[in-house]
Order: sequence, then structure tokens, then C-alpha cells
Amino acid sequence: EVELVESGGGLVQPGGSLRLSCVASGFTFRSYEMHWVRQAPGKGLEWVSSISTSGNTVYNADSVKGRFTISRDNGKNSLFVQMNSLRAEDTAVYYCARRVIIAAPDGVSYFYYMDVWGKGTTVIVSS
Amino acid sequence: DIQMTQSPSSLSASVGDRVTITCRASQTISSFHLNWYQQKPGKAPKVLIYGTSRLQTGVPSRFSGSGSGTDFTLSISSLQPEDSATYYCQRSYSTTWTFGQGTKVAIK
Repeated sequence: EVELVESGGGLVQPGGSLRLSCVASGFTFRSYEMHWVRQAPGKGLEWVSSISTSGNTVYNADSVKGRFTISRDNGKNSLFVQMNSLRAEDTAVYYCARRVIIAAPDGVSYFYYMDVWGKGTTVIVSS
Repeated sequence: DIQMTQSPSSLSASVGDRVTITCRASQTISSFHLNWYQQKPGKAPKVLIYGTSRLQTGVPSRFSGSGSGTDFTLSISSLQPEDSATYYCQRSYSTTWTFGQGTKVAIK
């Protein structure tokens, strides 16, 4: 069964740090780009970060640039996000998600979407 | 950055009704890169439609998507009780991914 399981969430003080993990199973982890998406309480979904299959290319939302670092260990089928200088507005459920890529019929374009999601881990930033 | 705006923010409809949700991009996007997700309370999102109109495997055929340019729609042809959820459009791109703010669908 294809599965993603997040861990590492918890209560942290403003300015503190936390490292989230996501362990993949049931598929070839190293073949997929991976993402972190978060959802603040009662709010919508916000894309956070992405990382290429090799880990050499990463992208971050402006809201976390310079504070969050996404990484992966393909040997351990694991995705991480190191979160520093945490703020109250970082309080959210953090999901890891697998990106799938499918060739479009035109032979040139591709479809990209997130087809597998974990259940999430909760981060609360509060004093 | 491209912004995605959904309307309405919420709606209430009866079982069997046709429901339509709109997603507008702040500038033209490729129809290959517009996806729709469904999220139920306390659960992770689930992809319904990718590439504007392509139904993900296992998703009921009452869901459909259309659109191009800046305007896209998700339709539910005959609303069912299990469709009570929040729906999000998403623009997928290599460098940044953007979600709409969500549309909450309730059953009357």
C-alpha cells in the first residue's frame, strides 16, 4: 500500500525550531518529487516547499523562505523540513505529498498534481 | 505571483442538485496545470480532477471540470451526501504551486 506518514509536530515557542519527517512506503520514493503543504486552523491549503527527486532543486513559498529547509534521504525513503525562526502564523497541520507527472496527449506537455498525501502532523507555535 | 480565486466561498445545495464552483486565475495559466481537490474535515486532501478536466481514477463520474485561460469550473452533476466537503483548485507549476482559498459545500 502506498503511504506517507508524517511525524515530528508539537508545541514550540516563537523563535524556536522543529524538524518534521515524512516516511514513504509502497512506492519508489527516489523517483518522485515531494512537497510539503500546510493548513492553518480553519484556513485553506498553503503550498510550502518542494524538492526534486535528487534533492538538488528546491523551491519554497515566500512565507517560509530563509526559515524552512526541505531535504530528503532517498536511502531511508524519508522527506524532511527543518523549520527555524518559527512564528505564530506557522501554526498548522503539515502534510507531505507526492507529486505525480503524466505526459499529456500533445506529446510535449505534462500534467502535475499531488496524488498521495499523508495524514499530517500538527505544529503549534505559542508561548 | 499568480493568485487563484474561488467562488463562492461556500454554498448549500440539496441532494440531486447540480453544483458549480468557479476558480479564476489572476493571469492566464495552462489548462494542463489546473487541478481540483476535495477535503473532508480532519482528512488530507484528495485529488479529483487534474489537467482541468481529467478525472482521477476512482472518482465518481458526477464530478467534471472545464475551462481555459483564467476561468475554470468544477461541477457536480448530482450532489450526493458524501460530497459535503471543501473543494480547492490548484495551479501546479514547477517552481510554485498555488491553491484557491476553498469552497465549502454543504448539504441542505
